[in-house]
Amino acid sequence: QQQVKQSPQSLIVQKGGISIINCAYENTAFDYFPWYQQFPGKGPALLIAIRPDVSEKKEGRFTISFNKSAKQFSLHIMDSQPGDSATYFCAASRVLTSYGKLTFGQGTILTVHP
Amino acid sequence: NAGVMQNPRHLVRRRGQEARLRCSPMKGHSHVYWYRQLPEEGLKFMVYLQKENIIDESGMPKERFSAEFPKEGPSILRIQQVVRGDSAAYFCASSPPDRGNTGELFFGEGSRLTVL
Repeated sequence: QQQVKQSPQSLIVQKGGISIINCAYENTAFDYFPWYQQFPGKGPALLIAIRPDVSEKKEGRFTISFNKSAKQFSLHIMDSQPGDSATYFCAASRVLTSYGKLTFGQGTILTVHP
Repeated sequence: NAGVMQNPRHLVRRRGQEARLRCSPMKGHSHVYWYRQLPEEGLKFMVYLQKENIIDESGMPKERFSAEFPKEGPSILRIQQVVRGDSAAYFCASSPPDRGNTGELFFGEGSRLTVL
């Protein structure tokens, strides 16, 4: 019930294309859904996050879409750039009661070709 | 403003030895979390600490692993009698006392443990 399932495992996109990564969760008590970006040899860094009271959040080229009834959320990267090549992790938590105890998805390795 | 500092960045141990990983949180942060990342897997929560207190260690293996965050100094993750399966990247994260509604964690660059 604590799992977060992420797909695809890897994704190759041409420069300028749209990258889409999907996640599904089981625990309906989750109330915070962040996406983290990790470059090789580095730690994860928060990219964008959403709460379940909204269906979409956009920050620059990055958009989270959230479907509460389906228990799914996705990350869309518009106009993908080679510099976006990294591993992306979705995560979920009960932020008000479980502090920083994040449940992470398995990760998606994104490669953006020039 | 320095970020979360972890050392060593790389550590090699032989089976049966001890590994000690250190983490200094961001300035002003009093909450520390340890996560483990096995090869080609996501991060798994291990333990959550505040100064001198273990708040949640539900993700820690029952044996050989321990963590502390003393009043002075960095947080320490200690692995006794390491085995090959302990080979992983160990990430420390911190958050400020008042997290508000962001829930954001700030991660260090990790300590990569290799057990021979």
